[in-house]
Amino acid sequence: AQSVTQLDSHVSVSEGTPVLLRCNYSSSYSPSLFWYVQHPNKGLQLLLKYTSAATLVKGINGFEAEFKKSETSFHLTKPSAHMSDAAEYFCVVPRQGAQKLVFGQGTRLTINP
Amino acid sequence: DAGVIQSPRHEVTEMGQEVTLRCKPISGHNSLFWYRQTMMRGLELLIYFNNNVPIDDSGMPEDRFSAKMPNASFSTLKIQPSEPRDSAVYFCASRPGRRDTDGYTFGSGTRLTVV
Repeated sequence: AQSVTQLDSHVSVSEGTPVLLRCNYSSSYSPSLFWYVQHPNKGLQLLLKYTSAATLVKGINGFEAEFKKSETSFHLTKPSAHMSDAAEYFCVVPRQGAQKLVFGQGTRLTINP
Repeated sequence: DAGVIQSPRHEVTEMGQEVTLRCKPISGHNSLFWYRQTMMRGLELLIYFNNNVPIDDSGMPEDRFSAKMPNASFSTLKIQPSEPRDSAVYFCASRPGRRDTDGYTFGSGTRLTVV
C-alpha cells in the first residue's frame, strides 16, 4: 500500500534562508504525489503536485519539489523563506484503487525573524 | 469560483446533541470527500461520494455518523448523538473527476467541539 513519511515534525528557519521539508514515499508503482499547506485555523491548500510529467515540479508561493525515484523522495524546497510561509505542510499520496488520500504526519514550519 | 464552502466554521455542542455539518462543493466537481483531522490520528477519510452516490464509507467511525449528498451541490455529515471524542476539524473536499491527479480542493473546515 502507498504511504508517505515526513522525516521532520518541526522545522525552524530564519527569514530569507532556504527551506527544506523532507518526504519519503513507499509505493509499488510510480505514484502521484502532492504537497498541501495548512495555515493556522485554515483549510488545506494545494501547493504542488507530481503526476509523472516532469520530475521537478513548481508550485505556488515559490515552492518546488523534485521527485527522485532512486531515493523514493519528494522533498519540498524554497530558496528564501518568508514569514507568511509559517504553517503545517503535508506530503500526500493517493492510495491506488481506493480513492483515498494518505497524508503524512505533517511538518510544522516556523520562520524566525 | 468561491471554492468548497463549509458551514458552520465553528460548532460547540453538548454531548448527546445532534450535529449537522454542511458542504457545498465546487460546481462541476463529481467527487466529494469528508475528512476528519485530530491531533492523535491526523487526517482520515470518512466517506467518499461520486456523482452523489456514496462509494466508500469504510472510514465512518460508527453508526452515529451518517452522510448524505442529495444533489451535486450539497452534502451533509451528521453526528447523532455527539460525543466529546468527536471533537475535531471536519474537512470537505471536492475533485473534478475520478482520477487522483485531478487534484482535490479542500474547504476551510468546521471545528467541532463537543462538551
